Amino acid sequence: QQPVQSPQAVILREGEDAVINCSSSKALYSVHWYRQKHGEAPVFLMILLKGGEQKGHEKISASFNEKKQQSSLYLTASQLSYSGTYFCGTEEDGNNRLAFGKGNQVVVIP
Amino acid sequence: KAGVTQTPRYLIKTRGQQVTLSCSPISGHRSVSWYQQTPGQGLQFLFEYFSETQRNKGNFPGRFSGRQFSNSRSEMNVSTLELGDSALYLCASSEDSLSYEQYFGPGTRLTVT
Repeated sequence: QQPVQSPQAVILREGEDAVINCSSSKALYSVHWYRQKHGEAPVFLMILLKGGEQKGHEKISASFNEKKQQSSLYLTASQLSYSGTYFCGTEEDGNNRLAFGKGNQVVVIP
Repeated sequence: KAGVTQTPRYLIKTRGQQVTLSCSPISGHRSVSWYQQTPGQGLQFLFEYFSETQRNKGNFPGRFSGRQFSNSRSEMNVSTLELGDSALYLCASSEDSLSYEQYFGPGTRLTVT
């Protein structure tokens, strides 16, 4: 089942913070986050496994709320390089395949 | 290590034809997954191969098929092409299961006319 990502688009200035969300109606085993820049392949950011573990990548961190089947990605002190489309991929319990959401478009302006 | 490579990078086909796309994973990676990316639907899972066996399959018609060779290289085939098959086809490799990060190739842009 395809997860739902929100908001669809975010515009922020350099140095500002933003939160983007990924929700599923199914019990999840893991959530994966990828970033794709225009014309490029998606690039892995992080995986969060069942257990509510929080992870970080540079100034980008994420959390996984197992009870709500929701993950949030936190962009802190955003940089121009953070611009791109962020995809979450969810792996349901026992499914062993990723379903990706439609993406959150993030634009960071000077 | 060399990254994931996909060939060809661009393809133009006509309706009714068939097409074969190729993916070479990162050395040592045994899992290869295929995705279709379109503006309207985003990234959609096609199938995953591990050690030459299809381990998972998405909700695509039987016209979409794939295989994996003993060196982990993978091919996907689409028969009887339709206009709606126009998309970017991405393959991704990982060491083992989906608990590991996936590394995506640059994709093959397929246009069906």
